[in-house]
Amino acid sequence: AQKITQTQPGMFVQEKEAVTLDCTYDTSDPSYGLFWYKQPSSGEMIFLIYQGSYDQQNATEGRYSLNFQKARKSANLVISASQLGDSAMYFCAMNPNDYKLSFGAGTTVTVRA
Amino acid sequence: DAGITQSPRYKITETGRQVTLMCHQTWSHSYMFWYRQDLGHGLRLIYYSAAADITDKGEVSDGYVVSRSKTENFPLTLESATRSQTSVYFCASRTQGSMGNEQFFGPGTRLTVL
Repeated sequence: AQKITQTQPGMFVQEKEAVTLDCTYDTSDPSYGLFWYKQPSSGEMIFLIYQGSYDQQNATEGRYSLNFQKARKSANLVISASQLGDSAMYFCAMNPNDYKLSFGAGTTVTVRA
Repeated sequence: DAGITQSPRYKITETGRQVTLMCHQTWSHSYMFWYRQDLGHGLRLIYYSAAADITDKGEVSDGYVVSRSKTENFPLTLESATRSQTSVYFCASRTQGSMGNEQFFGPGTRLTVL
């Protein structure tokens, strides 16, 4: 079974600062994908960023970047220049060479003004 | 409206009753999924479907049944609801093709079993 670990239940960050959310994973598949989703207090799941296991470069999407360290099996999300609207729960997820996603337990981010 | 919808959005039922949660998507996505979200567990896969009439169990399928007679609909049935099935249920869909294609999620159904 695939396992995703997010060790930070909650984090506080000052507005305009960067924050790094940790994610480690465990899989024996050589081909897999890593995703990050955001869940604001309203409850919807919002896709943020994707990294493929064979991608040579770290993925970036606007203020989101994924720090992918394959040998360490980590896929940390970096949010730069935090905004109040970034306050939410963030989930790391993986699909090991198929279409099913396994999710971590999530990290709650609170951005302080 | 285009997208993925779930109904009802909120449901309260009693132990032992049968409950069906509906999911409808307008994109003709091949793959559809049901997850439940509980505090401390993130989202866990209940069932998924690769196409109409093709379904398979996920991580936490006991007590649930699905069907998919049409591509756009993927109802989830709790055959005899238990308190442990109190949760928020999300339906999702995605296209075939690249592994990197995102899953699109519905708004969720909050189910309370008394």
